[in-house]
Amino acid sequence: GAVVSQHPSRVICKSGTSVKIECRSLDFQATTMFWYRQFPKKSLMLMATSNEGSKATYEQGVEKDKFLINHASLTLSTLTVTSAHPEDSSFYICSARDSQRGSYEQYFGPGTRLTVT
Amino acid sequence: EDQVTQSPEALRLQEGESSSLNCSYTVSGLRGLFWYRQDPGKGPEFLFTLYSAGEEKEKERLKATLTKKESFLHITAPKPEDSATYLCAVKRVGGGSEKLVFGKGTKLTVNP
Repeated sequence: GAVVSQHPSRVICKSGTSVKIECRSLDFQATTMFWYRQFPKKSLMLMATSNEGSKATYEQGVEKDKFLINHASLTLSTLTVTSAHPEDSSFYICSARDSQRGSYEQYFGPGTRLTVT
Repeated sequence: EDQVTQSPEALRLQEGESSSLNCSYTVSGLRGLFWYRQDPGKGPEFLFTLYSAGEEKEKERLKATLTKKESFLHITAPKPEDSATYLCAVKRVGGGSEKLVFGKGTKLTVNP
């Protein structure tokens, strides 16, 4: 149980284009999902908290117009990196919290490796 | 401000050599403390949630314990497949947010 998928697992795009990453909770409902970024050999950096049916909450320093988040259903959140640049190259990981459980553990997806050329 | 400090940053063990990883935390009211395992190039895998001092959880060779200031992840007779980065995170009571505060992790290497 508590499986989260991400698609794609790897993506290479050209500078200036946009890339969409999908995060799905496969066997539970998630009113709250989270998007993280991880640099090589570094810990997780929370980018934003995604709430189903409402606007995402972005962490300080994260550009909301560059990293568009949509959480349209209880099982799907998307992150769109707009006008990507090489410095956006990173490992992006989503997580989800099971809405029907009283605990706060997050279940993570396998991650998406973004390379911007 | 909530803080999580993990030590050591890296740990090398021989197969079968038991040891412990430490997670010290500062939070104004602990809702839960979480342990994760992360393999290179993958998302973190949930291991345990601990809620109150004195609580213990076990899974195979791993045992997590909790006090009012820190948590330990004990690894008994580790195997090479236990090699990974272990992350600790906390959730505070209230705060209006569901986010977790993560430590920087301990990279464990178990040599055969």
